[in-house]
Amino acid sequence: RKEVEQDPGPFNVPEGATVAFNCTYSNSASQSFFWYRQDCRKEPKLLMSVYSSGNEDGRFTAQLNRASQYISLLIRDSKLSDSATYLCVVGPGHDKIIFGKGTRLHILP
Amino acid sequence: NAGVTQTPKFQVLKTGQSMTLQCAQDMNHNSMYWYRQDPGMGLRLIYYSASEGTTDKGEVPNGYNVSRLNKREFSLRLESAAPSQTSVYFCASSEPGGSRSYEQYFGPGTRLTVT
Repeated sequence: RKEVEQDPGPFNVPEGATVAFNCTYSNSASQSFFWYRQDCRKEPKLLMSVYSSGNEDGRFTAQLNRASQYISLLIRDSKLSDSATYLCVVGPGHDKIIFGKGTRLHILP
Repeated sequence: NAGVTQTPKFQVLKTGQSMTLQCAQDMNHNSMYWYRQDPGMGLRLIYYSASEGTTDKGEVPNGYNVSRLNKREFSLRLESAAPSQTSVYFCASSEPGGSRSYEQYFGPGTRLTVT
């Protein structure tokens, strides 16, 4: 299994729909989990952390399933501005941070 | 605050030429990183510096050298550029310590083409 794996997409979703991304990781000792967002030809930016109990930030909800070793990101009421690539980031240790290859999302008007 | 700045934004090199990519941050972060991003490969760590005066190899260090000039600046040098080094290079910084290490702030990137 790859260290961090994501469906590359693209996901083509109509505006207003709900979209979910999953990310699996191979190192069961991983402790820290994040979602970054990257717009076309721009740098990645931190979107949100993923906590064990799950967490929500407006229309975005992140979940962690340690038993199955995956994290998820749910976007509700999607907007055109949500179109981007979403990167899953996993931290086995403070000096080893693994970025997934990203899932591309296109929101259709 | 400018955050993380990188120069140049674009560069075209011929095979065998050398160049240095510059990175500076004004957030007083201790840790700095150099990544390359290629289509279908995601972000790969080239080198990182956990603190001023230290540097360590990442996943793909071959063909590169780095210098942590001071707390603010971290440069990446290509001594003899090869076409395989055509990529987008991102510099990032973070404050080390627990989960904050993953809150990385990225520069706008340098698009390098080696012909």
